[in-house]
Amino acid sequence: QSALTQPPSASGSPGQSVTISCTGTSSDVGGYNYVSWYQQHPGKAPKLMIYEVRKRPSGVPDRFSGSKSGNTASLTVSGLQAEDESDYYCSSYAGNDNLVFGGGTKLTVL
Amino acid sequence: QVQLVQSGSELMKPGASVKVSCEASGYTFSGYAMNWVRQAPGQGLEWMGWINTDTGNPRYARGFTGRFVFSLDTAVSTAYLQISSLKAEDTAVYYCARGYYGSGIDYFDYWGQGTLVTVSS
Repeated sequence: QSALTQPPSASGSPGQSVTISCTGTSSDVGGYNYVSWYQQHPGKAPKLMIYEVRKRPSGVPDRFSGSKSGNTASLTVSGLQAEDESDYYCSSYAGNDNLVFGGGTKLTVL
Repeated sequence: QVQLVQSGSELMKPGASVKVSCEASGYTFSGYAMNWVRQAPGQGLEWMGWINTDTGNPRYARGFTGRFVFSLDTAVSTAYLQISSLKAEDTAVYYCARGYYGSGIDYFDYWGQGTLVTVSS
């Protein structure tokens, strides 16, 4: 499986909204509702932010939301805050006991 | 509380083997899959595969067959990743991650702190 496609970078000013896309195929993103998003600060382990396309784990602010249309999933961060500056990775089940990650997006808060 | 605690950093020579441990606590070890994820320096996350902590059956992602072995010691709730015939390109941080498995691999809700394996002569 090829990695899912994410933009290398995204940015926004405090208070604004930013959306990060994650494009796959009908064999992964488009075929299953098992899309997750992870936040990773430098030198730290990834943290689950969204699972099953749009569900938020307990403790994740509701400023983070997920969606999917066809073969593309999206993570939207509303009301950007300085602490949201991080790397974000999407992942998707790809069938046959396989999982694939996106290449990652560096989110900068201007 | 759920915790995954990994073994410390390793500096290894090419051709050697290394075994990384991931000790789980705070939950029933056999109730969740354990996944392994690699992150090379400055690079993204790469899923290596998972091991069924109930049956011990491993599943390796493409590119991680042959030199990579997942194993368990259920008596101490610990998962292991062994890499043999180490190469410079194996230099990376290796994470274990607890996986929730629905009708497919779903999400990773808890992660270990990562283990840096450096391969250098």
